[in-house]
Amino acid sequence: EAGVTQSPTHLIKTSAQQATLRCSPISGHTSVYWYQQALGLGLQFLLWYDEGEERNRGNFPPRFSGRQFPNYSSELNVNALELEDSALYLCASSRTRDREYNEQFFGPGTRLTVL
Amino acid sequence: GQNIDQPTEMTATEGAIVQINCTYQTSGFNGLFWYQQHAGEAPTFLSYNVLDGLEEKGRFSSFLSRSKGYSYLLLKELQMKDSASYLCAVYKAAGNKLTFGGGTRVLVKP
Repeated sequence: EAGVTQSPTHLIKTSAQQATLRCSPISGHTSVYWYQQALGLGLQFLLWYDEGEERNRGNFPPRFSGRQFPNYSSELNVNALELEDSALYLCASSRTRDREYNEQFFGPGTRLTVL
Repeated sequence: GQNIDQPTEMTATEGAIVQINCTYQTSGFNGLFWYQQHAGEAPTFLSYNVLDGLEEKGRFSSFLSRSKGYSYLLLKELQMKDSASYLCAVYKAAGNKLTFGGGTRVLVKP
């Protein structure tokens, strides 16, 4: 079974540009989560999508947005990039929550560098 | 608010035991996860504790005390491949949200 995949592996942008990151969940998983892992910091929850809808959002400004497509893949868009957006962006997927929790499986991440 | 603390770094010798502590103060708690993350790789699931007590899984064990807001991950018979970061995360069912601590980097020396 293929794991969570993310593209691109690395992305270099300059301030004020926009970045688009992509994620494909494990087959059969309908929930997708996005996390930011900045250098020296823990994983920070960004967004949770399930069945095409945004279900929860972390403490990030509105310039961080995303969507989930009918095939459950997802995009994270970061507008008006700032230097401090440089981080590893991790995507995770899980089955639809039908019990107390569903284990999240992580992808390898996209390293975003803002110059 | 959410506050999850774990040591930044620990060093241990191959074959030894290391205990990584995690303390948390969170609004809402349904369980606690431990993940392992090797440098440059995705986090991988190690354990999930809901009830108080010790859960053993091979060389790794995880303990939870909900009343004390405390958990630990115990790594026994350390191997070089155990050198990685270990992430403690509190799960809150409302919002289906994982809140991570800063991670503990464990270095295993020969």
